[in-house]
Amino acid sequence: QQPVQSPQAVILREGEDAVINCSSSKALYSVHWYRQKHGEAPVFLMILLKGGEQKGHEKISASFNEKKQQSSLYLTASQLSYSGTYFCGTERGAGSQGNLIFGKGTKLSVKP
Amino acid sequence: DGGITQSPKYLFRKEGQNVTLSCEQNLNHDAMYWYRQDPGQGLRLIYYSQIVNDFQKGDIAEGYSVSREKKESFPLTVTSAQKNPTAFYLCASSIDSGSSGANVLTFGAGSRLTVL
Repeated sequence: QQPVQSPQAVILREGEDAVINCSSSKALYSVHWYRQKHGEAPVFLMILLKGGEQKGHEKISASFNEKKQQSSLYLTASQLSYSGTYFCGTERGAGSQGNLIFGKGTKLSVKP
Repeated sequence: DGGITQSPKYLFRKEGQNVTLSCEQNLNHDAMYWYRQDPGQGLRLIYYSQIVNDFQKGDIAEGYSVSREKKESFPLTVTSAQKNPTAFYLCASSIDSGSSGANVLTFGAGSRLTVL
């Protein structure tokens, strides 16, 4: 099942913080986060692995709650460059050959 | 610089025609993928390949075909059987697909197909 992202869209002023959530009805083995700017390819931001290992990116961090089957992406002191659509991708399960299933995305707009 | 090259960037075709989208990578990645993106739908997996001469269907494979004759290349054919082919198509690759962490995706710039 496709993970559910919330909110669908958010508008911020520069310097404000935002949280994007990703939840799944199935057990999570890892969660990937990608950002896509309009008309461009998605770019990898971060991966969170079962067991708590995290690989981060600048001022963006994330949490991974295995019990609740959810992940949250935290963007602090947002910059104009943070604008874009954020996707979470989750592994389909053990032995899934690493294939990800993506949420529908959260559109983030940062205004001056 | 290593990366993924997709071509063409824009493609217009008449209904009923087959079209082939090219995807080439020089990252020496074993696994390659094709995703379809429609507004508000996220990324949906069409086909993926873990190794040369082998590929598997994804979630929306109907009306599409692929081949993997070389490690570097994974072309996608959109056939006339695909009922709604107008979309943005993204090719991706990863080191391999067998373990968490090694399946981080690198995407190409995409091909936008419009069927008239």
